Amino acid sequence: DVKVTQSSRYLVKRTGEKVFLECVQDMDHENMFWYRQDPGLGLRLIYFSYDVKMKEKGDIPEGYSVSREKKERFSLILESASTNQTSMYLCASSWDLNYGYTFGSGTRLTVV
Amino acid sequence: QKEVEQDPGPLSVPEGAIVSLNCTYSNSAFQYFMWYRQYSRKGPELLMYTYSSGNKEDGRFTAQVDKSSKYISLFIRDSQPSDSATYLCAMTRTDKLIFGTGTRLQVFP
Repeated sequence: DVKVTQSSRYLVKRTGEKVFLECVQDMDHENMFWYRQDPGLGLRLIYFSYDVKMKEKGDIPEGYSVSREKKERFSLILESASTNQTSMYLCASSWDLNYGYTFGSGTRLTVV
Repeated sequence: QKEVEQDPGPLSVPEGAIVSLNCTYSNSAFQYFMWYRQYSRKGPELLMYTYSSGNKEDGRFTAQVDKSSKYISLFIRDSQPSDSATYLCAMTRTDKLIFGTGTRLQVFP
């Protein structure tokens, strides 16, 4: 069974901390994505990557960065966490966009 | 105006009812259309995808696409309490998926 694994289900961090969210997929997919999901706003794309060491900004990249050193791993970094980054973060991967994404279970991040 | 519009609900129906979930879109360049189901505190999971206008059936689920009206639907027959979830439509545009905000469905026994 294909899997996208996010390292933490729940995280609580303090304002100003540097936060790392890890995502690993075991499907040899080239495409990986980071979204945040907020009530009423739906899924918003933060960053995506089509290949190792490659990254593209999504719709809301401000305050975030990413790293993809290996094909199976895509990390989201909050450089200096703020309370408005409290959200559900979802990682996804895909071999062909037209056939959809496989999502991880999500990380619910609270910044206090 | 959002590219994809979806009524957030909640939609509450009795067990056994036929459910209709809908999305409208504005960009005629969208090519593939999908429905995802998301249970509380979980990631979305792909239910169905379709390319052309018309119907596609999978068990109790039917996806319908009307490209001329820019309208897609998901029908659930004989709905069950286990169908209670948020349903998101999604569609592809060159380099990424565009999602609706989701409709929350509650099926009560």
